Amino acid sequence: SQQGEEDPQALSIQEGENATMNCSYKTSINNLQWYRQNSGRGLVHLILIRSNEREKHSGRLRVTLDTSKKSSSLLITASRAADTASYFCATDAYSGAGSYQLTFGKGTKLSVIP
Amino acid sequence: GAGVSQSPSNKVTEKGKDVELRCDPISGHTALYWYRQSLGQGLEFLIYFQGNSAPDKSGLPSDRFSAERTGGSVSTLTIQRTEQRDSAMYRCASSLEAGGLYEQYFGPGTRLTVT
Repeated sequence: SQQGEEDPQALSIQEGENATMNCSYKTSINNLQWYRQNSGRGLVHLILIRSNEREKHSGRLRVTLDTSKKSSSLLITASRAADTASYFCATDAYSGAGSYQLTFGKGTKLSVIP
Repeated sequence: GAGVSQSPSNKVTEKGKDVELRCDPISGHTALYWYRQSLGQGLEFLIYFQGNSAPDKSGLPSDRFSAERTGGSVSTLTIQRTEQRDSAMYRCASSLEAGGLYEQYFGPGTRLTVT
């Protein structure tokens, strides 16, 4: 079953507005990652937040992590039309025998209207 | 139904040797992706195939890396003259098609260790 679940499933905003996407998960994690996918192309890694971190910034991206609630949020500020894409969270968790498993949610489809 | 499968699950090779990693996508999926993941890091995009179109090789880190997809199904990622820095988990994913924003389904990965 999917570890991460994003909400909303789809989000449509005007250019310049902020976009917030949320992700919930079920088990303990090593880190949580956010990815972007444009028009079915390969996933692009955006940002990684470790389980002992609470907030991280990268350019117009801000990610928070609340391990007590097992949730994370991705905020894109001052959105641009080029931000239109699907955004996925993925949890990296220890799966035993020295290996880690990366599990993706189903994503949020963001549309930024010029 | 069957998901994405990859083989081998683990590969240990000596520096300088060539390796081949195999990916069997979900039947009917026209798009196939290869990624590399180092421990505790995010996925690094390597290459993507969509149907019979020329692959997007923009993520391949060097000319030692190549991939092919035969008959629009099985794909092989080849690393020539392996180096220790090639050690990572190599993950394959497939999706129904790449024209829209389709979910990617990931295989279990091949852990490559170059000694």
